[in-house]
Amino acid sequence: AQTVTQSQPEMSVQEAETVTLSCTYDTSENNYYLFWYKQPPSRQMILVIRQEAYKQQNATENRFSVNFQKAAKSFSLKISDSQLGDTAMYFCAFMKRPGNNNDMRFGAGTRLTVKP
Amino acid sequence: DSGVTQTPKHLITATGQRVTLRCSPRSGDLSVYWYQQSLDQGLQFLIQYYNGEERAKGNILERFSAQQFPDLHSELNLSSLELGDSALYFCASSPLRGSYGYTFGSGTRLTVV
Repeated sequence: AQTVTQSQPEMSVQEAETVTLSCTYDTSENNYYLFWYKQPPSRQMILVIRQEAYKQQNATENRFSVNFQKAAKSFSLKISDSQLGDTAMYFCAFMKRPGNNNDMRFGAGTRLTVKP
Repeated sequence: DSGVTQTPKHLITATGQRVTLRCSPRSGDLSVYWYQQSLDQGLQFLIQYYNGEERAKGNILERFSAQQFPDLHSELNLSSLELGDSALYFCASSPLRGSYGYTFGSGTRLTVV
């Protein structure tokens, strides 16, 4: 079974600075997908970024980027130029190669607070 | 608006009761997933349906059941409710293959008193 571990329950960062959230996972699969979701106080789950395991290039979406280390089974999220609106729970998620059964498994989350 | 509609948004009920949560997936999405999020915890996968058929099961209790109808909307039935069932229940949907991630609804907050 695939497991996702987020070892940082809480983190904080000053506005405009950079912060990195950690995520590790355990799988015997070779092809899979990784995701970061954001859950602000509204509780809505918002997709931040995704990474395909067969692509070596790290994904980037504006101020959000990942450091994907496949051999180490590590998938960290870097938020640059942090903004107050980035305050949220962040969940790392794993999904094996899509097929008939492609449920997504989530880590426990990291609560990020951006301070003014 | 994500395109995934969940009703009701809030539900308060007593122990021992039965409730039904409803989800309409985003237009064109064939897969529906149900997740449970207890207070300040991660999302626990419950069950997946694809085009009306059950495709995957997670840690879903026997007291819980779900189905997906021909119009693709889905219902999650929770019976013999206990205090510990109080949680946020999310529905998500994806196209045939969910490799671009799921689209989540805004959730149903269930409180069992």
